[in-house]
Amino acid sequence: GAVVSQHPSWVICKSGTSVKIECRSLDFQATTMFWYRQFPKQSLMLMATSNEGSKATYEQGVEKDKFLINHASLTLSTLTVTSAHPEDSSFYICTSPDSEGLGTQYFGPGTRLTVL
Amino acid sequence: KQEVTQIPAALSVPEGENLVLNCSFTDSAIYNLQWFRQDPGKGLTSLLLIQSSQREQTSGRLNASLDKSSGRSTLYIAASQPGDSATYLCAVTGGTSYGKLTFGQGTILTVHP
Repeated sequence: GAVVSQHPSWVICKSGTSVKIECRSLDFQATTMFWYRQFPKQSLMLMATSNEGSKATYEQGVEKDKFLINHASLTLSTLTVTSAHPEDSSFYICTSPDSEGLGTQYFGPGTRLTVL
Repeated sequence: KQEVTQIPAALSVPEGENLVLNCSFTDSAIYNLQWFRQDPGKGLTSLLLIQSSQREQTSGRLNASLDKSSGRSTLYIAASQPGDSATYLCAVTGGTSYGKLTFGQGTILTVHP
């Protein structure tokens, strides 16, 4: 099946720094990429939807200037957490729907971000 | 706005029991419904996917049903094992095959020997 890789798998950074998370589709073209985050003991919440070559669409309450999403190619989407703060500590997961209309989503393994 | 609710929030059972996890959603205009497993600190593992036109799906000891009109799904786990201990998440896909997923809060399952 299709594979989405995500890097890094975990990162610890100081408050105020920026962190970039990459999601790559390894054997298919990811026209659309969804970005989710999961706070401890909570479920996954959609942050934004990115489509290759266009601006991302952000969910209500998600700051677009803080969470920069770039989807410049069909195999790579990036999420940059700018000026990270401890409240941004979370588990970030990307997922891309299959292109054959089956409704299957291919998930990255996730990135655990801890901001000190 | 779609809302997904899972009951119970946590469940602890002895090994060997059959159990049922429940999921309900408010908007029946879904493309499909999926059940996932998440181990602590890990990503998601897809267990079963039910298309909106289907009533159930089975995989090994797992059986998931879907009643789209009433906005409900159940995940049945037969002969539970300690290795089944994990968080189980239910998620619905919006009205198209490329729609976003809306997740429930999950059920934390503990199966003790």
